[in-house]
Amino acid sequence: DGGITQSPKYLFRKEGQNVTLSCEQNLNHDAMYWYRQDPGQGLRLIYYSQIVNDFQKGDIAEGYSVSREKKESFPLTVTSAQKNPTAFYLCASSISPGAHNEQFFGPGTRLTVL
Amino acid sequence: AQSVAQPEDQVNVAEGNPLTVKCTYSVSGNPYLFWYVQYPNRGLQFLLKYITGDNLVKGSYGFEAEFNKSQTSFHLKKPSALVSDSALYFCAVRQQTGANNLFFGTGTRLTVIP
Repeated sequence: DGGITQSPKYLFRKEGQNVTLSCEQNLNHDAMYWYRQDPGQGLRLIYYSQIVNDFQKGDIAEGYSVSREKKESFPLTVTSAQKNPTAFYLCASSISPGAHNEQFFGPGTRLTVL
Repeated sequence: AQSVAQPEDQVNVAEGNPLTVKCTYSVSGNPYLFWYVQYPNRGLQFLLKYITGDNLVKGSYGFEAEFNKSQTSFHLKKPSALVSDSALYFCAVRQQTGANNLFFGTGTRLTVIP
């Protein structure tokens, strides 16, 4: 899992609550990403950031928000507008946004809505 | 539009036998191709990638993959499977130009039988 940490490992949320998932990297990477993984599906991109103070929506951004105030941090907030938030969330980073660069993944956060 | 197909949800192979995990892709233009492995409740680990040049790419843990442009395939191979290779494997593709998010297949679960 390299130099990417995600916390917490498990998170439980009541319906109607917002929760924030932490992602920190010490790899000095410019680009960071958030993915959602559901059983039997591939990873789907939620948001990505190519540089500090900039981020872009991915394929399934509705109900999520992010910030990128520091190079090493890219927290994801799952809002109450996300109708089906129970999933495994993975944060990743790459040395630069270049398409040829591999992404390095954190260990993930499993979110369960009660 | 980009897409990745992993036609086999499950692959079983005996320890010591060669293994193949299949992947086909669809992109506009030339692709960058990646293989990742995921162990239970963990993030993804990068195995190898194809950018350009030699169609046979060698990666971590003895894995290799062959890029076949005419068949739009990028199958993952290993000459002799280990029980410890048992995991979930994801193929991913990215366009070299234009909109170039990383698209993942749905994954293939490899089980190596002792």
